[in-house]
Amino acid sequence: GAVVSQHPSWVICKSGTSVKIECRSLDFQATTMFWYRQFPKQSLMLMATSNEGSKATYEQGVEKDKFLINHASLTLSTLTVTSAHPEDSSFYICSAEQGFDEQYFGPGTRLTVT
Amino acid sequence: GENVEQHPSTLSVQEGDSAVIKCTYSDSASNYFPWYKQELGKGPQLIIDIRSNVGEKKDQRIAVTLNKTAKHFSLHITETQPEDSAVYFCAASPGYSTLTFGKGTMLLVSP
Repeated sequence: GAVVSQHPSWVICKSGTSVKIECRSLDFQATTMFWYRQFPKQSLMLMATSNEGSKATYEQGVEKDKFLINHASLTLSTLTVTSAHPEDSSFYICSAEQGFDEQYFGPGTRLTVT
Repeated sequence: GENVEQHPSTLSVQEGDSAVIKCTYSDSASNYFPWYKQELGKGPQLIIDIRSNVGEKKDQRIAVTLNKTAKHFSLHITETQPEDSAVYFCAASPGYSTLTFGKGTMLLVSP
């Protein structure tokens, strides 16, 4: 149980274009989902917390207009990187909360902006 | 806010040995402490967790201990195997869905 999927697993896009990443909880409903960013050999950096049906809460320093988050249902949250630039290249990982504080992570999406 | 320190950053052991990774936290309100295993290019996998109302939890070769007074918790892996090689992250949460992660420990298990 507690399986989270992400799509796509990797994406290459050109500078200035937008990319959407989907995060789905496959066998449970998640009121709360999280988006993280991870640089090579570093820990996870929380970008934002999304609650189903309401606006996402962004961490300090994260541009909400660049990283658009939509949590439209109890099993799906999306992250759209708008007008992507090479510095947005990273490993993006979502998680979904099941129960009290328990977060289950997706497999991650490798974004490369050329 | 919460601050989590994790040691060591790298740990090399021989197959069959035990491995111990330690974390300390700063917020006495934290009451949930999960451990994640992350293999290269993959997302973190929850391997064990503990809440503040217990001092120890075991799951086969993995155990976690918690000392609330000293504000530290540890991951113990016994009879290590090469497939245990990965980066391990500890985390702490005071509730309200927020996890603060340690910087990770790269565990290398040599055959």
